[in-house]
Amino acid sequence: NAGVTQTPKFQVLKTGQSMTLQCAQDMNHNSMYWYRQDPGMGLRLIYYSASEGTTDKGEVPNGYNVSRLNKREFSLRLESAAPSQTSVYFCASRGTSGNTDTQYFGPGTRLTVL
Amino acid sequence: GDSVTQMEGPVTLSEEAFLTINCTYTATGYPSLFWYVQYPGEGLQLLLKATKADDKGSNKGFEATYRKETTSFHLEKGSVQVSDSAVYFCALSVNTGGFKTIFGAGTRLFVKA
Repeated sequence: NAGVTQTPKFQVLKTGQSMTLQCAQDMNHNSMYWYRQDPGMGLRLIYYSASEGTTDKGEVPNGYNVSRLNKREFSLRLESAAPSQTSVYFCASRGTSGNTDTQYFGPGTRLTVL
Repeated sequence: GDSVTQMEGPVTLSEEAFLTINCTYTATGYPSLFWYVQYPGEGLQLLLKATKADDKGSNKGFEATYRKETTSFHLEKGSVQVSDSAVYFCALSVNTGGFKTIFGAGTRLFVKA
């Protein structure tokens, strides 16, 4: 049981390049999330998927697209990277622990855009 | 809108000192409250949670009580260890047509031997 996995762990891009961040979970969770973490700002929600086949915008969706490929996988795509997208990206899935929802996080992808 | 405010860090303590990290929230309805911990180079892990007023969440010596009257969920530990050095995030979860979790900015804790 690996939990939530993310690839790659590190990536350096030039401005204008594109890339896809991959996320997978093996906990059979319906909901999955993409966050970015910037110093002093906590985690900000980019997109989320409440269930397979659905996606919704979060707080900071501009410049990103997502795909919920199946129940396990939820990818984040940067079509034309910008320096403002330099950040650490976390994927999470949500399960129910008792009567409260809990999020489980992947190890993160550290992205630098030059 | 819903929000979480927690004390700015970094907080630096000596081993065995008492820890308090303050957290207050604003929310409509009845949120669940969480503390997550992030160790260097890792993702966030759930530390403890509380689902309703006056509930106390506890784990690994850490405690927090859901105070509706003061809209607070302060994290405490009686005796910190070097291994507790990490970033701590207070968060709330609300169901507004889908569960969303809102995080505070995080508080970095350094514990010196």
